[in-house]
Amino acid sequence: DADVTQTPRNRITKTGKRIMLECSQTKGHDRMYWYRQDPGLGLRLIYYSFDVKDINKGEISDGYSVSRQAQAKFSLSLESAIPNQTALYFCATSAQRGPRRNTGELFFGEGSRLTVL
Amino acid sequence: DQQVKQNSPSLSVQEGRISILNCDYTNSMFDYFLWYKKYPAEGPTFLISISSIKDKNEDGRFTVFLNKSAKHLSLHIVPSQPGDSAVYFCAASPTLPHGKLTFGQGTILTVHP
Repeated sequence: DADVTQTPRNRITKTGKRIMLECSQTKGHDRMYWYRQDPGLGLRLIYYSFDVKDINKGEISDGYSVSRQAQAKFSLSLESAIPNQTALYFCATSAQRGPRRNTGELFFGEGSRLTVL
Repeated sequence: DQQVKQNSPSLSVQEGRISILNCDYTNSMFDYFLWYKKYPAEGPTFLISISSIKDKNEDGRFTVFLNKSAKHLSLHIVPSQPGDSAVYFCAASPTLPHGKLTFGQGTILTVHP
């Protein structure tokens, strides 16, 4: 089983609909992130959270919101989806403690492909 | 403004030869650099990293070189194998521990048998 699980893996929706992408992890990491991948632009950070009570905006947070319900869960919401939010979304985690804490390494989920018509 | 740039969208290499993937950055505050590999339908996976206090880091067939004065890093894969065919992203961070990475656009590497 994947350590970082994203649901749904694929979703097609219409403009104006509310969408939630969910992420859960079993790695025991405190830090969680949402990235978006677009062709020619690489991965861009949407939101990140270093703790259950901590939420921070990333590079492209407009049009998105997040909720850190528990240490293991971090969900991304699009309140009113628009076509230019069509992209591949990745959840990731990193270690704050332990031997890997200083590597900066992110552990990614398999991605959620969202299409907004 | 793209702070981390991979100017080659794709690279094609013969099996057994060297693959060299390049990355340039503009933010002088970046202090730590990582390479990720991504296969289709999977999330990116960590490959190798380097701190700015070093100019080279090796891990098996993979070596990353950092030239701070030129704000340039490269990933060398020797020898290249067909299983190395993937998208490679370089990423940078101003400080650690911190997972707030800035990624390049990615380079598609194809290794032909």
